[in-house]
Amino acid sequence: DTGVSQDPRHKITKRGQNVTFRCDPISEHNHLYWYRQTLGQGPEFLTYFQNEAQLEKSRLLSDRFSAERPKGSFSTLEIQRTEQGDSAMYLCASSLGLPTDTQYFGPGTRLTVL
Amino acid sequence: GNSVTQMEGPVTLSEEAFLTINCTYTATGYPSLFWYVQYPGEGLQLLLKATKADDKGSNKGFEATYRKETTSFHLEKGSVQVSDSAVYFCARSSYSGNTGKLIFGQGTTLQVKP
Repeated sequence: DTGVSQDPRHKITKRGQNVTFRCDPISEHNHLYWYRQTLGQGPEFLTYFQNEAQLEKSRLLSDRFSAERPKGSFSTLEIQRTEQGDSAMYLCASSLGLPTDTQYFGPGTRLTVL
Repeated sequence: GNSVTQMEGPVTLSEEAFLTINCTYTATGYPSLFWYVQYPGEGLQLLLKATKADDKGSNKGFEATYRKETTSFHLEKGSVQVSDSAVYFCARSSYSGNTGKLIFGQGTTLQVKP
């Protein structure tokens, strides 16, 4: 078991550009979460998938953000027209059978918007 | 509201000192409680958890007891090591809808000096 992986690990972009991040959860984990972490703060929930269904989105997720999990395996998080305030670490986590099972986190993608 | 509050850091200790990191939460119902740790350059890892009142979670010499009466989940270790230097996050589950999303505190940085 290789754990949760995320790609890329680092992304530097200019304001106004679009970026896409990928998360590969642990195999057979049904539940997938995206969080955002800014410097000196704890992670904040962005969105949740059970298999391919997106069941919850945070109010933090503006209409510039979209997430998919098309086949219930990997997930992508896209940010359109990036802003400097989007600079953060984007974390993905997965859990096995129940929403309440332990969440395992990936290493994160650090986004810097210039 | 629903939140998690941790003591502010950084906490600086000498090796073999006793550690306490305070964590309190507000919530409706009885959430599960967690401590996650983030070592330098690494992703979030689950350290321990407790799912009901009076449960004690323990791992690697760390302990925390779920105290419903004081809505607390303080992290303790009897003798810290330099290798324990990390950022520690307290978190609780949030059972809104079907999601098991986590709500995190702001994190407490621990520095252990030899």
